[in-house]
Amino acid sequence: SQQGEEDPQALSIQEGENATMNCSYKTSINNLQWYRQNSGRGLVHLILIRSNEREKHSGRLRVTLDTSKKSSSLLITASRAADTASYFCATQAGTALIFGKGTTLSVSS
Amino acid sequence: DTEVTQTPKHLVMGMTNKKSLKCEQHMGHRAMYWYKQKAKKPPELMFVYSYEKLSINESVPSRFSPECPNSSLLNLHLHALQPEDSALYLCASSRATGAGGYNEQFFGPGTRLTVL
Repeated sequence: SQQGEEDPQALSIQEGENATMNCSYKTSINNLQWYRQNSGRGLVHLILIRSNEREKHSGRLRVTLDTSKKSSSLLITASRAADTASYFCATQAGTALIFGKGTTLSVSS
Repeated sequence: DTEVTQTPKHLVMGMTNKKSLKCEQHMGHRAMYWYKQKAKKPPELMFVYSYEKLSINESVPSRFSPECPNSSLLNLHLHALQPEDSALYLCASSRATGAGGYNEQFFGPGTRLTVL
């Protein structure tokens, strides 16, 4: 079953620009997480935001969560070519994580 | 050691073969997961083990058989697969399966499976 929907599906930017990805979900959650995946390899956990938090920062990443709108956003500031990857939001209500469809980010130098 | 390892990296098998995928972690995590990911799609949960016991089976066909021999190892036994089972199989682990904010999952690099 799929819970999250990322928007946009694909995003192309230049190095140094900011990238914003959005995630919407359908049911109540305990936390929402963002993961990065390079070229069909394993996923890397980026950040977790709990349902009682509204904003969280980690390095160049900023995540917001609006539980009333059931949505989250991931902002990557000052993007680099190495940020090129697919980004997935994942929601957790019980035991399992349910991943959204993902946003493919391309950063060109 | 914050790594999840998976072997093999690539596997090609016929529909009559029996093979196994292996996953290992030494982070002391008590929850381990198998996911299936098709190209350009998100990972789909297959199985969850919590404290070496199967806690979730997402209606996976019986040709996939998971096994958790101990808290560090997770296997996925494959038998009589179909070509549509070709995918990237990802293993992950986490400290626990609780939803109290400790379910950050650590993923292995995956096994790319091709069924002929």
